[in-house]
Amino acid sequence: SQTIHQWPATLVQPVGSPLSLECTVEGTSNPNLYWYRQAAGRGLQLLFYSVGIGQISSEVPQNLSASRPQDRQFILSSKKLLLSDSGFYLCAWSAQGLDQPQHFGDGTRLSIL
Amino acid sequence: AQTVTQSQPEMSVQEAETVTLSCTYDTSESDYYLFWYKQPPSRQMILVIRQEAYKQQNATENRFSVNFQKAAKSFSLKISDSQLGDAAMYFCAYRALFTSGTYKYIFGTGTRLKVLA
Repeated sequence: SQTIHQWPATLVQPVGSPLSLECTVEGTSNPNLYWYRQAAGRGLQLLFYSVGIGQISSEVPQNLSASRPQDRQFILSSKKLLLSDSGFYLCAWSAQGLDQPQHFGDGTRLSIL
Repeated sequence: AQTVTQSQPEMSVQEAETVTLSCTYDTSESDYYLFWYKQPPSRQMILVIRQEAYKQQNATENRFSVNFQKAAKSFSLKISDSQLGDAAMYFCAYRALFTSGTYKYIFGTGTRLKVLA
């Protein structure tokens, strides 16, 4: 069966420090991969999505970047974190096909001090 | 542009009773899928139910069912015999093939459901 792993679960970082959140998927190949941010009590904002290795699309201009170095690995990064980067980050994958739901990781709670 | 609207930020239901959460969407596509996700306090996103736009029959999963009105672009979720474990944030989501050749999801802003004992 397919599983998605996202880490770390919680992260506290100072302003100006770098960031690296990692997400890996097991049990499937060529998944669509997504990074979302969720502000407290709010909906999901799509940050990045990827349909293949090295293929990244950005939804909103921001201080973050994403990379997909391997088929089932998706990384969210920043060179210098801002206070506004605080939030709950969710990684998700889906199979190809219109009927395929998204499957989410457990999320990372990022606090910027 | 496709949009998903959940007009009820918060709803309450008595345990064992029935509640309906509303969702409307806007699209010019003819084929798409709609989903309801549940996010409990643990914040894990859990798929509740899905509906294909071409299917007239409303989807059902145990105590969860949808009322899909394609012409009205409405996709409401009905929870029967509500349980304390149903308390969560519920998100409506739309999925379609975009011009970029990618399947993307658009989520509503969510409805927080409280279940009263």
